[in-house]
Amino acid sequence: DIVMTQTPLSSPVTLGQPASISCRSSQSLVHSDGNTYLSWLQQRPGQPPRLLIYKISNRFSGVPDRFSGSGAGTDFTLKISRVEAEDVGVYYCTQATQFPWTFGQGTKVEIK
Amino acid sequence: EVQLVESGGGLVQPGGSLRLSCAASGFTFSSYSMNWVRQAPGKGLEWVSYISSSSSTIYYADSVKGRFTISRDNAKNSLYLQMNSLRAEDTAVYYCARVRGGSYLDWGQGTLVTVSS
Repeated sequence: DIVMTQTPLSSPVTLGQPASISCRSSQSLVHSDGNTYLSWLQQRPGQPPRLLIYKISNRFSGVPDRFSGSGAGTDFTLKISRVEAEDVGVYYCTQATQFPWTFGQGTKVEIK
Repeated sequence: EVQLVESGGGLVQPGGSLRLSCAASGFTFSSYSMNWVRQAPGKGLEWVSYISSSSSTIYYADSVKGRFTISRDNAKNSLYLQMNSLRAEDTAVYYCARVRGGSYLDWGQGTLVTVSS
């Protein structure tokens, strides 16, 4: 199974400041079809997860442009350019390149 | 508007069974693969099972293989998860999710399954 490792696990951030979350996979996420099926999800308190970023860097419909994704192979990053109060929650990276699909442990973003 | 509504959760004794349902609306259900994902209380997300749009391809997590069965009825716009031989470690909120291209496009609100004597 592909293990997804996120760092940090907790990220206290000042409003208006940037935040960055790293995700590393135990093997390359490049699929045989050439795509890299790495996504980022946000889970606000008491809510189901929602899709933010798919295939490394594509923002999903309705996602603010302060969220961006980057990376390749086994190393990926989610960046929030200026954290807002509504960004509080847990962020997960997830891979769908190979079954079983797996998630990172989650990174809790909170306001300082 | 896409809606996914899970139901069927509840309290069950170890060794018991439950059948979860997910009613889908707002999109062409028969065109999308679907997943079940669970989240134990206070824990992270765990992928449980995948079913392709035509039910031709199905996968399970090792933790549930042989005990859980995923299925769908495209005529009824519904997804199911039959859970047998339930264990305490199956206690979780179970979400159904619409997927495409390896991405979880939409999630339901979840249904809580508690396995306890």
